[in-house]
Amino acid sequence: ETGVTQSPTHLIKTRGQQVTLRCSSQSGHNTVSWYQQALGQGPQFIFQYYREEENGRGNFPPRFSGLQFPNYSSELNVNALELDDSALYLCASSLDGGGGAKNIQYFGAGTRLSVL
Amino acid sequence: AQSVTQLDSHVSVSEGTPVLLRCNYSSSYSPSLFWYVQHPNKGLQLLLKYTSAATLVKGINGFEAEFKKSETSFHLTKPSAHMSDAAEYFCVVKPGGYNKLIFGAGTRLAVHP
Repeated sequence: ETGVTQSPTHLIKTRGQQVTLRCSSQSGHNTVSWYQQALGQGPQFIFQYYREEENGRGNFPPRFSGLQFPNYSSELNVNALELDDSALYLCASSLDGGGGAKNIQYFGAGTRLSVL
Repeated sequence: AQSVTQLDSHVSVSEGTPVLLRCNYSSSYSPSLFWYVQHPNKGLQLLLKYTSAATLVKGINGFEAEFKKSETSFHLTKPSAHMSDAAEYFCVVKPGGYNKLIFGAGTRLAVHP
């Protein structure tokens, strides 16, 4: 076990709704990264938070947003859900010095989101 | 541009025979390279990592990988497959100076008795 926990494990929403996914990082870690894994594909980087600030973003629209809290837990928010948002959302935590340090990311089991 | 290509989407082996999962990468800067494994309904687990030290990297569960800069490859091997090795395997590159992981499309390993 990595010590990274995500909730909920499964979620069903309808198109146009909003969703919030949560991630509790491993003790001592200060960085959280979020990834989207569509069925049959590798995970795609959404964004990363380092010490409560966004620290890099992938090719995702602004309706994907996030937060990191003082205890380094994190939320991923998705507004105006689309059918293509159906995927497994993975959170990873790491201990980072900032600036792209070569540190290992530890993953949670993910939240499976289905958009109908 | 940075990218990862896993050359086989599916690999099937018999228990006790060698495993070879192939990975080529493209990166403009000195990268870190990883292999992760994903079992059904479980998170991604790190098998091993390369970060510019020894080119032959040993990981958990008997897996190892060799970094070959001239071939831009980072193939994963195991001398003898076990039934519990059946899973999805991802080759991952983290370009130097970047904070994101770039995943390959994955290789599904099946192990038959």
